[in-house]
Amino acid sequence: GDSVTQTEGQVALSEEDFLTIHCNYSASGYPALFWYVQYPGEGPQFLFRASRDKEKGSSRGFEATYNKEATSFHLQKASVQESDSAVYYCALSDRRPNYNVLYFGSGTKLTVEP
Amino acid sequence: VTLLEQNPRWRLVPRGQAVNLRCILKNSQYPWMSWYQQDLQKQLQWLFTLRSPGDKEVKSLPGADYLATRVTDTELRLQVANMSQGRTLYCTCSAGNWGTYEQYFGPGTRLTVL
Repeated sequence: GDSVTQTEGQVALSEEDFLTIHCNYSASGYPALFWYVQYPGEGPQFLFRASRDKEKGSSRGFEATYNKEATSFHLQKASVQESDSAVYYCALSDRRPNYNVLYFGSGTKLTVEP
Repeated sequence: VTLLEQNPRWRLVPRGQAVNLRCILKNSQYPWMSWYQQDLQKQLQWLFTLRSPGDKEVKSLPGADYLATRVTDTELRLQVANMSQGRTLYCTCSAGNWGTYEQYFGPGTRLTVL
């Protein structure tokens, strides 16, 4: 079945550090890939997506590039801020008529110290 | 702009008692509605997608039994029964299915077992 693996469970950084959160996927078809962010007490928020190989998604300074060969969609940000502290989820969506399914990774908790 | 309302926002559920949740869609341009659960370890899991009024589905997962109903174009309901572990239920909406369209999450309903 389809699945997403996030390597890091927790990441602790200082402001202005470079961020990488690793995401690898397994899917039978050609999935769309997503990043979501969740702040405490809130529902997950869509960050960005990519639907085809080599496409870059980006938002709020975060970016990731769809790599079909490596089955990866790693999240990066050049300079993190304290306000970026949250849980980040990588997800995939495969084509399923009549359904709208996101398969999520286990999440990565990012803590940014001032 | 708020796309989804969920009520109640939280509920204490005596063991063995069922609870009924509602989700109201505020914008009809996002008719694909789904339910997700988030367990105490923060793992997100798709439960149902109900596209049309009258659609109804049931599912049993570790820790809870679910009955989902699409009541109208703008209302989704979820009955949670036999819950043994707390969880948060989110409804989502989307303009379509598959990867062309992102899903937007509601604020969630947090359930705690007494």
